[in-house]
This record gives sequence, structure tokens and C-alpha cells, in this order.
Amino acid sequence: AQSVAQPEDQVNVAEGNPLTVKCTYSVSGNPYLFWYVQYPNRGLQFLLKYITGDNLVKGSYGFEAEFNKSQTSFHLKKPSALVSDSALYFCAVRDDNYGQNFVFGPGTRLSVLP
Amino acid sequence: DVKVTQSSRYLVKRTGEKVFLECVQDMDHENMFWYRQDPGLGLRLIYFSYDVKMKEKGDIPEGYSVSREKKERFSLILESASTNQTSMYLCASSFLGLTGANTEAFFGQGTRLTVV
Repeated sequence: AQSVAQPEDQVNVAEGNPLTVKCTYSVSGNPYLFWYVQYPNRGLQFLLKYITGDNLVKGSYGFEAEFNKSQTSFHLKKPSALVSDSALYFCAVRDDNYGQNFVFGPGTRLSVLP
Repeated sequence: DVKVTQSSRYLVKRTGEKVFLECVQDMDHENMFWYRQDPGLGLRLIYFSYDVKMKEKGDIPEGYSVSREKKERFSLILESASTNQTSMYLCASSFLGLTGANTEAFFGQGTRLTVV
């Protein structure tokens, strides 16, 4: 079965500092990994994905994520955080052995302090 | 731009009412999903559909049913609403399959349902 863990409920970072939001996953086949962001009372907005190829993927709004197969991780990063990055972040996985479903982590709330 | 539209942003219903949540997508996606989002629990899959008239139960289907009569529309039905169904409901859609670049899901804006 697929699963996704986001070990931190909350991440606080000062504006201008680098940020990392952690994600680890478990799948039986090849993973397809995604990050989404959610602003208050809104749906989820796609940020980036890893399908295959380069382990470092770049996405929207300056975010990037690094796929690490040996550590089964897909951490979200940004070199310099903005106050407007404050939101709820979800990691998700699809497994090519499991079919069409997406499995989401519990979410990490990012607060960027001015 | 892909658009997934949910019929209501906010709904208040009474216990025992039959509730319909509608979702429409304009990208000709085969897959459509209904999730429920609760604090600390993340997104939990209620039902999904990979084709017209096809449906599969997700992790928490009890108390819910779905209908997909047309490819672009996926409805979630609460047969008899209860207070424990108060939640944020999110609809999503995606292409079938995992080949190629277009594998991500696109979400609607969510419906916050309160059952009183």
C-alpha cells in the first residue's frame, strides 16, 4: 500500500531564510511525487512533481524539491522564504503498481515570519 | 488553464437532508475524485471514477454515494447528512494513466459543508 508522511505539523522560518518541508513516502512500485499548496478556504494548487529523470525538480513560485530514492524522500525547498509562502503544504504520491489514486500526507503548515 | 469547478463554496444543511455536491471539469480528464479534508487528517479519498458510470470506493465511502453520468461531471451525494459529515470537500480530476507528463491532479476550490 502507498503512504506518505510529513513529519512536521508546523514549520516556522524567518523571511529571507531558506525553507524545507519534509516528505517521505512508501510505495510498492515506482513513485510519482507531487507537492501542493493550500491557502485558507481554497482548494489545492499544484506546485511541482517528480516523474522520472533529474532528481531536482523546479516548480512554481521558486519552489524546488529533491527526490531521494534511497531515503524515500521528496523534500520541498525554497532558497529564500516570503511571508506570502505561509500556507498549508501537502505531499502526495501515485504508485504505478497501484493505479489511479493519489495518496496525500497530512499536511505541514508553513509560517514565514517577517 | 484547467478548471475544476465546484457548485458551492459554502453550504449549510440540516441533519437528515439529502445533499448534492457537484463538480465539473473542462479538461476532458478521465479520472475524477472526491476527497474530504479535516484538520490533522489531511485529505481522505471518498470515491473516485475513471470513466463515465464507473466508480470505486476510496478510504471512507460510508454515508456517501457518487454519480458520473457525463465525463465532465462528478457528483457526491450525502444520502442523509449527519453532523460528522461537516467538513471541507474537495473535487479533483486528472488524466488516466501514469505515462507522459500530465499526471497531476487539479482541484476545485472546495465546498465547506456544515451540517446542523
